[in-house]
Parts: sequence; structure tokens; C-alpha cells
Amino acid sequence: GAGVSQSPSNKVTEKGKDVELRCDPISGHTALYWYRQRLGQGLEFLIYFQGNSAPDKSGLPSDRFSAERTGESVSTLTIQRTQQEDSAVYLCASSLRAGTLYNEQFFGPGTRLTVL
Amino acid sequence: SQQGEEDPQALSIQEGENATMNCSYKTSINNLQWYRQNSGRGLVHLILIRSNEREKHSGRLRVTLDTSKKSSSLLITASRAADTASYFCATDGTGFNKFYFGSGTKLNVKP
Repeated sequence: GAGVSQSPSNKVTEKGKDVELRCDPISGHTALYWYRQRLGQGLEFLIYFQGNSAPDKSGLPSDRFSAERTGESVSTLTIQRTQQEDSAVYLCASSLRAGTLYNEQFFGPGTRLTVL
Repeated sequence: SQQGEEDPQALSIQEGENATMNCSYKTSINNLQWYRQNSGRGLVHLILIRSNEREKHSGRLRVTLDTSKKSSSLLITASRAADTASYFCATDGTGFNKFYFGSGTKLNVKP
């Protein structure tokens, strides 16, 4: 079946502009995660959605970052007034159900964001 | 921070040799997972080991977990050029819902 998809694959924007990144999780997966990965570094947790529960936003670096998810489907990560330090690959992952106990995450290919 | 930290940061070996990567973490965990990343894009899940397990095998992969030392190792036997990638460990702390990734080990397997 189809994996996690993300769009766009690459985004170049000017400093100060808003960007929207999209993630389509695997159908039936109730959990969805967003991560940020700067060049040569590890993954930085941003936000986690689980079904209709309130999302865990504890990883969002500033109020310029927000994310939404409608039910158990598509999610959108929005970055307002982009800064050069926002340049990174933004990765989305989904997993079958809540909890990490036996779950693996399935990752999308990422969106490479470049802020000029 | 609950993040796992991989060691070494970079590893270069010849095809056919074994590659060993280590991961250390700071807090109690429910499970630890290893992922591989090619070309700085999406990660692929390799193996999960639960906190009550000490060793697990999957093909050419062998993972060990020592909860008393808060460490794990990933061994890739008979490495191939196609194993060239970055390898990350991910821990979940005790919160069940979030994963914490280390900064990865960059493995280069020379043909």
C-alpha cells in the first residue's frame, strides 16, 4: 500500500514569508508526528497527534510554528514569518496506534525547506 | 534530555567487515528502536527492542540492550556498500507517545 507522502518535496522561500507543509499519513494510522532535521543533525520532535486527542505541541520551537490535523487524515505544518534558521528537512511520520510500546514509525520522504 | 546519543559519529569500513554502533540514553525507556536514513531523507525502521529484552536479531542485524548501563548497540555483519547510511537510535522515555532521536552515526562502507 501507499506510504507516508509529503509535499512539496522542496520549498525555497524568502525570509518573512509563510509556508505550509503537507503530510498524508498511511491510511488507518492514528498517530502522526512532525520532526525537524537540520543538516547533519538528528531529528528534533516538533508535534504529535493521536486521533482526536489534543496534540502534544511541546516540541514546537516558537509561536511561528503551528500544525493541524483533521481527524486521522492529512496534517499541515505552517511556519509563519520564516527565518533563515528554519531551513531544514521537515519529516512526517505515522504509526498504527497510540503509544510507542510496540510501534514503529513510518516516515515520509521529507520536505526540504530553504529560507533565503 | 532523554535523547539517545550515538557513538561513533562517523564510521568507515571495508565491505565485508562488521560495523558496530552504540547508543546511550539518559532515562528509563519502554523500548528502543534503530532507524536508517539514506541521503538525508525519510527514515526506515530497522528493529525494535523492548526494555525486557537483551538481544534481538534481524537478518544481518544484531541489537543488544543493557538497561543497567542505559546503552544499546547495533551490529551489522558482513557489511555491504548498500549499508552506507546514517543510523539513529530512538528512545521513548516513559511517556509512551514521543520518540527521542540521537544525532546518528554516519556509516560509510567502501566497496
